[in-house]
Amino acid sequence: SQTIHQWPATLVQPVGSPLSLECTVEGTSNPNLYWYRQAAGRGLQLLFYSVGIGQISSEVPQNLSASRPQDRQFILSSKKLLLSDSGFYLCAWGPSNQPQHFGDGTRLSIL
Amino acid sequence: EDKVVQSPLSLVVHEGDTVTLNCSYEVTNFRSLLWYKQEKKAPTFLFMLTSSGIEKKSGRLSSILDKKELSSILNITATQTGDSAIYLCAVTFQGAQKLVFGQGTRLTINP
Repeated sequence: SQTIHQWPATLVQPVGSPLSLECTVEGTSNPNLYWYRQAAGRGLQLLFYSVGIGQISSEVPQNLSASRPQDRQFILSSKKLLLSDSGFYLCAWGPSNQPQHFGDGTRLSIL
Repeated sequence: EDKVVQSPLSLVVHEGDTVTLNCSYEVTNFRSLLWYKQEKKAPTFLFMLTSSGIEKKSGRLSSILDKKELSSILNITATQTGDSAIYLCAVTFQGAQKLVFGQGTRLTINP
């Protein structure tokens, strides 16, 4: 069966520091991969998605970037974090036109 | 701009009550509507509704898609404290591999 792993679960970073969040999927090949951000008590905002290695689509202009160096690995990065980057970051995977399945998320606090 | 709106944003009821959550959408190239339940971390998939499957039921939960009114409802009967969660509605698109989420409804079931 397919599983999705996301780490770390919690992260506290100072303003201006870099960021790297990692997501990996097991048990499937060539999945569509997604990064979402969720503000406290709110819905999910799609940040990036990828349909294949090296293929990244960005949904909103921002301070973040994404990369897909391997088929089942999706990385969210920033060179310099802003206070507004705080939030709950969720990675998801899904076959085309099927429900997406989510990782347990990373709660990011910027100080 | 594609938009998904959920109502109410917050709802508090007593155990045993029946609740109805609403989701409306204004999108181009609609393909399907999904409902998720989010307790503490990862949203978990509940239902997917399409033109060929406009009504779904699982135990005490049921959902209907009204393509004419561009909306969907999620019903929960005989609510239990374990139903307390954020319920998220999302829409998918023809020819695009992404979801657009509503703001979510925070449901609290008091004993």
